[in-house]
Amino acid sequence: DAGVIQSPRHEVTEMGQEVTLRCKPISGHNSLFWYRQTMMRGLELLIYFNNNVPIDDSGMPEDRFSAKMPNASFSTLKIQPSEPRDSAVYFCASRWGAGGYTFGSGTRLTVV
Amino acid sequence: KQEVTQIPAALSVPEGENLVLNCSFTDSAIYNLQWFRQDPGKGLTSLLLIQSSQREQTSGRLNASLDKSSGRSTLYIAASQPGDSATYLCAVNHRGGNTPLVFGKGTRLSVIA
Repeated sequence: DAGVIQSPRHEVTEMGQEVTLRCKPISGHNSLFWYRQTMMRGLELLIYFNNNVPIDDSGMPEDRFSAKMPNASFSTLKIQPSEPRDSAVYFCASRWGAGGYTFGSGTRLTVV
Repeated sequence: KQEVTQIPAALSVPEGENLVLNCSFTDSAIYNLQWFRQDPGKGLTSLLLIQSSQREQTSGRLNASLDKSSGRSTLYIAASQPGDSATYLCAVNHRGGNTPLVFGKGTRLSVIA
């Protein structure tokens, strides 16, 4: 298995632009998590899905952030409009049952 | 609300030394605990997963212990090498199986040759 695949690896965008981050979880995994990592706050959960259904989005910072999981093999995290304070590394992780989590390589977002 | 603390925040040791990284959590009702390694600019690599019913897990030179009642876990690294230099993150899975991991802020380890 190729692991959790995230794209793009790096994204530089101007303030106000829409940004879409993508994630392909490991086949067969039934939970998917989006995390954000910054130096100040460490790793923070944004939202997670079980069986493609959003369970908890209380970590999504503002209405500018939205996430979807249209099927078991794909999820997106969208920021519209983006702001400089959104600059961070965004990680996607997946899991099956009581097993351990597998993380993707992350997307480094820079908003200028 | 579950909180995870890792001490120390940074650690520098000479090559060959045995070392211990500490992790504590406030709510002992955990499902499992996972240790990760993160190299600079990279993603997270899972090192060890301890279920709540277990007391320790071992992989090569790494040994992780879990004392759920006291809310503590340790990661022991034997005979440290420069290649072990990275940030080590502890995370707990609260209660149910498909709930999210709560992370500590990590310990940044430097092993000096």
